[in-house]
Amino acid sequence: KAGVTQTPRYLIKTRGQQVTLSCSPISGHRSVSWYQQTPGQGLQFLFEYFSETQRNKGNFPGRFSGRQFSNSRSEMNVSTLELGDSALYLCASSSAGRDNTIFGPGTRLTVT
Amino acid sequence: KNEVEQSPQNLTAQEGEFITINCSYSVGISALHWLQQHPGGGIVSLFMLSSGKKKHGRLIATINIQEKHSSLHITASHPRDSAVYICAVKSNFGNEKLTFGTGTRLTIIP
Repeated sequence: KAGVTQTPRYLIKTRGQQVTLSCSPISGHRSVSWYQQTPGQGLQFLFEYFSETQRNKGNFPGRFSGRQFSNSRSEMNVSTLELGDSALYLCASSSAGRDNTIFGPGTRLTVT
Repeated sequence: KNEVEQSPQNLTAQEGEFITINCSYSVGISALHWLQQHPGGGIVSLFMLSSGKKKHGRLIATINIQEKHSSLHITASHPRDSAVYICAVKSNFGNEKLTFGTGTRLTIIP
């Protein structure tokens, strides 16, 4: 059974650019959540999508956005990148309400 | 004060020792996760608990909902257990948002 897939795995961008990250959940999982991990702030919740709708959003600026497609794949976008956006971005998929959250391997974004 | 507190922050032990990592939280939750993160970043979900106790191999996780406290135990620790262990709670508002502790860095010395 395939795991959660995130692409790309590594990315280097320049300040001011924008970036799109992709997450393909486990087959049958309809909930996808995104998290940011930095050395200073640890793991923080970005947003959750369920059936193409954003159900919850963390305390991040509007430069961070996301969407979910009908096949449950999700993308997150960060516009006008800042140095502080350098982080590991993780997505997790689950069947909402069930004991089956699976994390992806993450995308490591470096902003220079 | 963080909603999720873990202790200790760092733990070094000899191979074979019994390990306990603690997690306390201050909000209402529907479930609590214990996660393991090895160098390189990959996160593995070890347990999801809503009550009682779960065991998987040498790992045991317990939760006391009334006391808002959970523990992760490792028996007969091994160097391959060296990792960061993270406690995360799922709110009881019907969504999948997780709030994380700051993690416990465990090092097992051969």
